[in-house]
Amino acid sequence: DGGITQSPKYLFRKEGQNVTLSCEQNLNHDAMYWYRQDPGQGLRLIYYSQIVNDFQKGDIAEGYSVSREKKESFPLTVTSAQKNPTAFYLCASSPPGQGGEKLFFGSGTQLSVL
Amino acid sequence: DAKTTQPTSMDCAEGRAANLPCNHSTISGNEYVYWYRQIHSQGPQYIIHGLKNNETNEMASLIITEDRKSSTLILPHATLRDTAVYYCIVRDYNAGNNRKLIWGLGTSLAVNP
Repeated sequence: DGGITQSPKYLFRKEGQNVTLSCEQNLNHDAMYWYRQDPGQGLRLIYYSQIVNDFQKGDIAEGYSVSREKKESFPLTVTSAQKNPTAFYLCASSPPGQGGEKLFFGSGTQLSVL
Repeated sequence: DAKTTQPTSMDCAEGRAANLPCNHSTISGNEYVYWYRQIHSQGPQYIIHGLKNNETNEMASLIITEDRKSSTLILPHATLRDTAVYYCIVRDYNAGNNRKLIWGLGTSLAVNP
């Protein structure tokens, strides 16, 4: 089945540790996105990528890094510089073309700090 | 992109129609109305979108007022599995504008047996 796969479902980070969240899609979509969701808040955009080897900061990029070496993959690293990393992280993609396309989301990764 | 206003929560009896309102009074002519829903601890799921005309698909119907300042998402026969947070979003129908979406808190719909 086509879709977006995020792993792991749950992740724990120790103080000072970098962790990487995986996002893979087999929908042949060009654009991919990372969102953060906190209780009582709407989704906030961390990073997005419109094409391979290119990505742009979203609204809350500080403390995060990404790469887009392959069309199918858009991993997110939560660095030790992110002081409040506990949140639900969502990866999404959208197809190319005329614009206005809907977003397809993965099932999310819940990151917690030990 | 224009901002939307939705009620914080709603209840609906199982089997009845759920009507979820959304106000987007500052919507511009080239902005579409999109609806997504998010079941607890899952990623949002696309439901439907429209510009001016009413739209219907296998999941729901979207009714947009003539002045386009508000819309209503209708789930015709709500089931317990429709319990979720429903997000109404407006966006410009141009490529690359998904990064500009403003996600509010949505409406938490509880379908009761």
